[in-house]
Amino acid sequence: DAGVIQSPRHEVTEMGQEVTLRCKPISGHDYLFWYRQTMMRGLELLIYFNNNVPIDDSGMPEDRFSAKMPNASFSTLKIQPSEPRDSAVYFCASSRFGATSYNEQFFGPGTRLTVL
Amino acid sequence: KNEVEQSPQNLTAQEGEFITINCSYSVGISALHWLQQHPGGGIVSLFMLSSGKKKHGRLIATINIQEKHSSLHITASHPRDSAVYICAVGTPQKLVFGKGTKLTVNP
Repeated sequence: DAGVIQSPRHEVTEMGQEVTLRCKPISGHDYLFWYRQTMMRGLELLIYFNNNVPIDDSGMPEDRFSAKMPNASFSTLKIQPSEPRDSAVYFCASSRFGATSYNEQFFGPGTRLTVL
Repeated sequence: KNEVEQSPQNLTAQEGEFITINCSYSVGISALHWLQQHPGGGIVSLFMLSSGKKKHGRLIATINIQEKHSSLHITASHPRDSAVYICAVGTPQKLVFGKGTKLTVNP
């Protein structure tokens, strides 16, 4: 398996623009997670899906952020409009079983977002 | 106060030294994870443990549930061990991450 695939790897955009990040989880994994990593706050969970259904979106910063999972092999994280404080590395991860506990999560390579 | 605290934040060692990275947490957990993030940015899972000790090659992870503390040890450190090591605790709701320990091993 190719592992978790994310695109783009790098994104530079201007404030106010819409940004769409994409993720393909490992086949057969029922859970998909979106994380954000910054120097100040480290890794933070934004949202996670189970069988394509959003389960916990309490980490989504505000209404400018939205995430969808239209099928088992694809998810998007959208920021509209983007702001400089959204600059971070966004990771997608997937796991076969539960959201936490004793279940390994497999991380994608991340998308480094810079909002000017 | 963060729910997961790691120490030290930065660590520089000479090749061959024994390394210890500490993680303390304040929330109830079901399991603790140690992750490694290489300079290129990729994150891989090293260990998941809920009690006792686990060993994989030169890496050893221990956890003391009563004291809410875990340690990651690296024996005979090597420059390729240079990375950020992240502790994460599994709560009923989600994984909560420490801010990481940046390890640099010099030849």
